[in-house]
Amino acid sequence: DGGITQSPKYLFRKEGQNVTLSCEQNLNHDAMYWYRQDPGQGLRLIYYSQIVNDFQKGDIAEGYSVSREKKESFPLTVTSAQKNPTAFYLCATLRTDYGYTFGSGTRLTVV
Amino acid sequence: AQSVTQPDIHITVSEGASLELRCNYSYGATPYLFWYVQSPGQGLQLLLKYFSGDTLVQGIKGFEAEFKRSQSSFNLRKPSVHWSDAAEYFCAVAPISGGYNKLIFGAGTRLAVHP
Repeated sequence: DGGITQSPKYLFRKEGQNVTLSCEQNLNHDAMYWYRQDPGQGLRLIYYSQIVNDFQKGDIAEGYSVSREKKESFPLTVTSAQKNPTAFYLCATLRTDYGYTFGSGTRLTVV
Repeated sequence: AQSVTQPDIHITVSEGASLELRCNYSYGATPYLFWYVQSPGQGLQLLLKYFSGDTLVQGIKGFEAEFKRSQSSFNLRKPSVHWSDAAEYFCAVAPISGGYNKLIFGAGTRLAVHP
């Protein structure tokens, strides 16, 4: 079955560490997205990429970085510059005639 | 600024009762409109979408939504709620101008279902 795989499901980060969240898709969709979800705030866009080797900042990109070296993969790095990284992170892809498909998410906690 | 408002943070209904979740958007032109559902700790599942045409849209799990241009609304309805419908529901819009590439979410409505 085609879909989006996010790993790990749970991730713990110490203060000052960088961590990378994985997002892999086999849907052959061109566009990929990272969203952050906090209670009571809905989802906010961090970064998105419409084609390989190109990506754009979303509304809350500070403290995050991404890469898009392959169509199937769009990893998100949460850097030590992100002061409040504890959240639920969702990866999504877009097919314009259908809409967005979401992965099952990664919950990141600072310890 | 573009925004999506879901006025109800929490809603509780009895099983078998009807349901309406409200969604209003602020945008200059009609965007693409979506409703998603999220179970705890899970990703989002698409319930239905509106791109154009008939303003009453049918979705999965017995849900429907009606687009009302004059009210900038896209309310979600279900005639008879099941206990398994308890979840969080998100309305979202995708502005068309500048490319269909961003999804803006409301804050969500958490639905509880009493037996």
